[in-house]
Amino acid sequence: EPEVTQTPSHQVTQMGQEVILRCVPISNHLYFYWYRQILGQKVEFLVSFYNNEISEKSEIFDDQFSVERPDGSNFTLKIRSTKLEDSAMYFCASVLRATGVTDTQYFGPGTRLTVL
Amino acid sequence: GENVEQHPSTLSVQEGDSAVIKCTYSDSASNYFPWYKQELGKGPQLIIDIRSNVGEKKDQRIAVTLNKTAKHFSLHITETQPEDSAVYFCAANRPNTGNQFYFGTGTSLTVIP
Repeated sequence: EPEVTQTPSHQVTQMGQEVILRCVPISNHLYFYWYRQILGQKVEFLVSFYNNEISEKSEIFDDQFSVERPDGSNFTLKIRSTKLEDSAMYFCASVLRATGVTDTQYFGPGTRLTVL
Repeated sequence: GENVEQHPSTLSVQEGDSAVIKCTYSDSASNYFPWYKQELGKGPQLIIDIRSNVGEKKDQRIAVTLNKTAKHFSLHITETQPEDSAVYFCAANRPNTGNQFYFGTGTSLTVIP
């Protein structure tokens, strides 16, 4: 069964450093998402991406964050200057389509980001 | 904005018993409610979902009920097995968005053999 993959599984970085989290969505899916889950808290929406541009973003997704689909398969989340509070699990998700009827999201296994 | 509340936060049941997890939502325009199971070290996996045009949906040992008037929905797992042990999240879609969801805080289910 096709699945969403994410790398790395765990990323440790120093405060102020840039990190790039990578995701490979399911190949024929058209919509892509990043979510964040701080330890013990809710899964929170960050951003959605369609047709090579951001379609929606939350208030969490400030200027320190950016997303990119550099080729036909990868979908990346970049944090330019990490802060301690960026430590969380980051999940990528993809959807086949969004036709006005909400479609099923498939989540990747997540990347645990630890900012020291 | 939407607010999804989930109860209980932890739940322990004996193997073979039933487990029920409840969620409430605030935005009456939400019309899609998925449930996710998250095992240790893995991402959330969809296990069942329900749309607002039905009141109940069942898939083998798992069922979901929806009460639109009261704005709550519940996950029911019957004949629980140890492999059902995981964290379960409910979610509600954010209307007029491209598949944005609000998630509950999660329920850690432990099935005791």
